[in-house]
Amino acid sequence: DAKTTQPTSMDCAEGRAANLPCNHSTISGNEYVYWYRQIHSQGPQYIIHGLKNNETNEMASLIITEDRKSSTLILPHATLRDTAVYYCIVRVATGGSYIPTFGRGTSLIVHP
Amino acid sequence: EAGVVQSPRYKIIEKKQPVAFWCNPISGHNTLYWYLQNLGQGPELLIRYENEEAVDDSQLPKDRFSAERLKGVDSTLKIQPAELGDSAVYLCASSLTTGDGYTFGSGTRLTVV
Repeated sequence: DAKTTQPTSMDCAEGRAANLPCNHSTISGNEYVYWYRQIHSQGPQYIIHGLKNNETNEMASLIITEDRKSSTLILPHATLRDTAVYYCIVRVATGGSYIPTFGRGTSLIVHP
Repeated sequence: EAGVVQSPRYKIIEKKQPVAFWCNPISGHNTLYWYLQNLGQGPELLIRYENEEAVDDSQLPKDRFSAERLKGVDSTLKIQPAELGDSAVYLCASSLTTGDGYTFGSGTRLTVV
């Protein structure tokens, strides 16, 4: 089972880019990197996922290193509402039976 | 689309009492998950359903926990009897298939006193 390592906490100034790192050195070739976030008192929310190419959507960008052993989630212009716990997980995209574990994630605090 | 709906939102019970949580997944989502989340921790899988079949329940404490998903739609998770250590948030999630992205409900916060 591929596991991930994330910093326990980070902080960022409002309006600045928030760069959240994740190490997944044992990732397999068919495993994707997924990011979720959990705002206080809510369930986790899907953000983005990728295999090896960088990905961007309306919420964030995902940068995956060439060797796929680490990735960075980028929130380009962080707002106070981005304060949340961010989880990086690796999993097979479809048809797999492996259920990933979330770990403790990174607690991001965006301050004024 | 309503999303994954869970009820109740909060529940406070005395130890040794039974409690049940209900989950209505997104329409058409065949896979349903129940997760347990302790304070400061990430969600931990309790059980996964493919339609009405429980295909992964290895983390479910079967002496006191039970779950069902009749007709492959709604699901209930029950604890009987509840213990103080069961205080946590119980999250339900659903997806089209096992490998797809999850959509989580807001969870049920259980406090056992």
